[in-house]
Amino acid sequence: KNEVEQSPQNLTAQEGEFITINCSYSVGISALHWLQQHPGGGIVSLFMLSSGKKKHGRLIATINIQEKHSSLHITASHPRDSAVYICAAHFNNDMRFGAGTRLTVKP
Amino acid sequence: GAVVSQHPSWVICKSGTSVKIECRSLDFQATTMFWYRQFPKQSLMLMATSNEGSKATYEQGVEKDKFLINHASLTLSTLTVTSAHPEDSSFYICSASDRDRYNTIYFGEGSWLTVV
Repeated sequence: KNEVEQSPQNLTAQEGEFITINCSYSVGISALHWLQQHPGGGIVSLFMLSSGKKKHGRLIATINIQEKHSSLHITASHPRDSAVYICAAHFNNDMRFGAGTRLTVKP
Repeated sequence: GAVVSQHPSWVICKSGTSVKIECRSLDFQATTMFWYRQFPKQSLMLMATSNEGSKATYEQGVEKDKFLINHASLTLSTLTVTSAHPEDSSFYICSASDRDRYNTIYFGEGSWLTVV
């Protein structure tokens, strides 16, 4: 069983829609990362969270430590948001990754 | 902001040869660096964790003699794929932990390896 579960696996949205990607983890963590991977493979770190909520532009990330759950929200989605979004749980000196959510935003 | 640089971005090598991938933290000291591998349409898989000046800790199933990791300085870690085979073709990514910024982890852009 994967220690980090992401949903949905694939997501297609129309431009302008509000997007939510969920991540659940089964062990105590020191931090949770949300990553964005573009088709070429390059990875961009979007957020690192250990509690509460963070916002950057149209992106919002939240984490509930008690429930071991995090969400990534994209407001007013745009085709350039199309990418794979990966959550990664950092505990001790170890990193575990979700399977990723492939987001396609259609114009 | 902090940047982690990987080199090369793309490499093609012949079967049986060795290839080295570098991971550098450009504006911070990274006491810990991580190496990952990603197969097509799959998520990242942690291969090993390296701490500066000590031997890397490999994940179960990762051959340490095949994937040599050296973390000789606080800004550089290298991954050498030895005696490469076509099945080693993959996307390799490193990340580095910034001890001065609460161990914030920054990811490199990744390196595509194709073994022919």
